[in-house]
Amino acid sequence: AQSVTQPDIHITVSEGASLELRCNYSYGATPYLFWYVQSPGQGLQLLLKYFSGDTLVQGIKGFEAEFKRSQSSFNLRKPSVHWSDAAEYFCAVGAGYSGGGADGLTFGKGTHLIIQP
Amino acid sequence: GAVVSQHPSWVICKSGTSVKIECRSLDFQATTMFWYRQFPKQSLMLMATSNEGSKATYEQGVEKDKFLINHASLTLSTLTVTSAHPEDSSFYICSARPRGVGPQHFGDGTRLSIL
Repeated sequence: AQSVTQPDIHITVSEGASLELRCNYSYGATPYLFWYVQSPGQGLQLLLKYFSGDTLVQGIKGFEAEFKRSQSSFNLRKPSVHWSDAAEYFCAVGAGYSGGGADGLTFGKGTHLIIQP
Repeated sequence: GAVVSQHPSWVICKSGTSVKIECRSLDFQATTMFWYRQFPKQSLMLMATSNEGSKATYEQGVEKDKFLINHASLTLSTLTVTSAHPEDSSFYICSARPRGVGPQHFGDGTRLSIL
């Protein structure tokens, strides 16, 4: 069965500092990997996704993530965080299909990002 | 583009009543929609996969007779929580996958509170 582990429940970062959120997955085939952000009481916004090809993917809002098959990881990074980045971040994995999407996703438990002034 | 609308955004009702939540893809056709549930401070858990014109596929442990899913058109799926009880109180989020290509797009969720 597929699973996603986000080892950090909370992370506190100073505004302007760099950020890395960890994600490890377990999946029997080539994974389709996603990072989503959720503000309180809101739905999910897709930050970026990895299906194939270049293992370093760029997303919205200055985020990027690197797929490392050998480490079963898909860590999210941002060189300089802004106060508006404070939110809950979810890593997810799904079974891919030929159209480039994924079936029902398995989510990690999320990482709550706190930005210090 | 790729907007998914959920309605209502918040509902409070008495125990024993049934509640219907709508999920619409506003600017694309979605052959497949997904329903997730999120308890406070927890992750999203997939409840069911809804395919247009066919029966939904439920995840293990999800009661299909309690959570009725209908996907009658390429832009609308509904989730009905029947005979709701306080333990059904949760945040329900749908997502829709465009026909053929692309990732899922999520709605803004429905907060259900059962008194």
